[in-house]
Amino acid sequence: DADVTQTPRNRITKTGKRIMLECSQTKGHDRMYWYRQDPGLGLRLIYYSFDVKDINKGEISDGYSVSRQAQAKFSLSLESAIPNQTALYFCATSDSTGTGMGETQYFGPGTRLLVL
Amino acid sequence: QKEVEQNSGPLSVPEGAIASLNCTYSDRVSQSFFWYRQYSGKSPELIMSIYSNGDKEDGRFTAQLNKASQYVSLLIRDSQPSDSATYLCAVLILTGGGNKLTFGTGTQLKVEL
Repeated sequence: DADVTQTPRNRITKTGKRIMLECSQTKGHDRMYWYRQDPGLGLRLIYYSFDVKDINKGEISDGYSVSRQAQAKFSLSLESAIPNQTALYFCATSDSTGTGMGETQYFGPGTRLLVL
Repeated sequence: QKEVEQNSGPLSVPEGAIASLNCTYSDRVSQSFFWYRQYSGKSPELIMSIYSNGDKEDGRFTAQLNKASQYVSLLIRDSQPSDSATYLCAVLILTGGGNKLTFGTGTQLKVEL
C-alpha cells in the first residue's frame, strides 16, 4: 500500500461548487503539505501543517481552506471553485526534526482537478 | 529574483552521455538541498539530498553543492531513456514561520537513443 494516498485522483467540477480533496498517510509524519502544480510555474505551496493543532498559509492560500483531522489526515477544500484553480494538486509529508536538516518530503500520487 | 531558479530546458543528451542539471538559489542561509525527479503526470520522487559543500554520489547520480556561489547541480552519468523526466531542485528556506521547501520550476531532460 502507498504511504501517502490522495482521493479522488481525478475530479471534474463546475464553477462555484465546493469540493474537498483528501490526503492520508501511514508514514507517521507530523508535517503535511498541500501544493498545486501548473505548467511553467512549478510546485507552489497552498497550506501546511506541522502538527494537528497547527495550520499555516502558504504562498497561494486564497480561495482554499484546510482541515487537519488527525495526524494522518489533511484535507484541502475549495469553497467556491473557479476555473483558474484547475491544476494538479499534491499532498506531501515530512519528518523534519526542525533543525533545518533533512526536510525530505514524500508526495502522494496527485489529484487532477478540472473546474469548468 | 526567484528564490530557486532552473533552466526549463528541454535539455537533450544522447544515451550514455552525462546530463548536467543546474540550480541557483537566493537565500544564503539555506542549508538543505534536494533533487526530485518527476515523470509526466506523476508525483515528484526524491533522488538526492545534499547538505554540505562538495559532491555526493549515489549510483549514477552526483549532486554538487557550492554554498559560496549559491548553486547546486545534479549530474547523471550513463544517461538512459528512462531518465527522461523533469528534474526539480528544492531548497529548504528558513522563515519566521518555520522551514519552507521551495521548488524551482524544473528542467526537462530528454535522453535520446
